[in-house]
Amino acid sequence: DAGVTQSPTHLIKTRGQHVTLRCSPISGHKSVSWYQQVLGQGPQFIFQYYEKEERGRGNFPDRFSARQFPNYSSELNVNALLLGDSALYLCASSLGSDYTTDTQYFGPGTRLTVL
Amino acid sequence: QKEVEQDPGPLSVPEGAIVSLNCTYSNSAFQYFMWYRQYSRKGPELLMYTYSSGNKEDGRFTAQVDKSSKYISLFIRDSQPSDSATYLCAMRFYNQGGKLIFGQGTELSVKP
Repeated sequence: DAGVTQSPTHLIKTRGQHVTLRCSPISGHKSVSWYQQVLGQGPQFIFQYYEKEERGRGNFPDRFSARQFPNYSSELNVNALLLGDSALYLCASSLGSDYTTDTQYFGPGTRLTVL
Repeated sequence: QKEVEQDPGPLSVPEGAIVSLNCTYSNSAFQYFMWYRQYSRKGPELLMYTYSSGNKEDGRFTAQVDKSSKYISLFIRDSQPSDSATYLCAMRFYNQGGKLIFGQGTELSVKP
């Protein structure tokens, strides 16, 4: 079975631009979460979506937004890019139906470089 | 103070050694505890998942949780060069399944 897939693998943008990152969850998983991992740090939670509804939001500015589609894939959008947005962006999927036992499985990430 | 503290290392051990990785946390409301392994430029891979105090074993890996001390550990027996990676502890609250709080990660190198 395919794991979590993310596209693109790498991306280079300049300050002020906008970026869209994409994620396809494991088949049967209905929840997608997004994380930002700056070099040398642990991942930091950005959003969780379940059944197309936002279930949780981390401490990130409004420049960050996301959505989930009927097929449970998801997009993360970042507007007005800053140098500090350079990071590995990770998508994690889970079943989502029982948050007491939910387990997150991560994709390989999209490496974003902002120049 | 960070919610989850983890010694970033780096930690270097000879092949066959027992490795001990640790995290402390400040919020006693955390209920579920995980260890992930992350190879360079890859996504984190789930190793262990626990929710109660005590030990959980899986092959060469043992996860230990002490909720009274707010302390979790991962032990790796008979370490191999292929275990060289960054190890991330993570934890979450009872009703926030999608929101994991991670430690900084410990970089481990196992030398042949």
